[in-house]
Amino acid sequence: GQQLNQSPQSMFIQEGEDVSMNCTSSSIFNTWLWYKQDPGEGPVLLIALYKAGELTSNGRLTAQFGITRKDSFLNISASIPSDVVIYFCAGQALFGNEKLTFGTGTRLTIIP
Amino acid sequence: DTGVSQNPRHKITKRGQNVTFRCDPISEHNRLYWYRQTLGQGPEFLTYFQNEAQLEKSRLLSDRFSAERPKGSFSTLEIQRTEQGDSAMYLCASSLRGFEAKNIQYFGAGTRLSVL
Repeated sequence: GQQLNQSPQSMFIQEGEDVSMNCTSSSIFNTWLWYKQDPGEGPVLLIALYKAGELTSNGRLTAQFGITRKDSFLNISASIPSDVVIYFCAGQALFGNEKLTFGTGTRLTIIP
Repeated sequence: DTGVSQNPRHKITKRGQNVTFRCDPISEHNRLYWYRQTLGQGPEFLTYFQNEAQLEKSRLLSDRFSAERPKGSFSTLEIQRTEQGDSAMYLCASSLRGFEAKNIQYFGAGTRLSVL
């Protein structure tokens, strides 16, 4: 099945650093979402974006809906140990089944 | 807890056996989705229901897979004659789609299937 291009695949950072990841698609989406996933658990919604150019924050997380509607970015400021999970972007079309098309994931690891 | 509930959380079976998973969506959510997630990948769409009607099935859903949502409430996903390639996490999500509802999908914790 189709998966969006998400980068980087993994990141090794020190506690307190800022983190950036992005997701690109060959097709246009009407909604972009960012989820986090702990091992063995289901995805948990972090941020939902509905309009091109929209910038939305949720605590230390900020996400943007790209102007072309084919990409999205997630930034995490001042990373802490509980940020060590896998992050997935997901695009959603407006009509039809509105299924989510997920990215390949970004795994965050904090270096002691 | 009013979130999406999936049972069982883990299932180990032998190749060739049939398995059935259950998903209880958030009450009043009219849409229910099934996704499959293999190790190191993002979830991939399998099928979805609008109330009790199954409206779309992915090409990933072979003839050995069947899903139901009787009465538009809980849903079951059955896999017949399991194969080792069926080993994955099966995720259920539900959402409310309406005039002013944005169809945000909320996921359950998943059922991890291991086929030996």
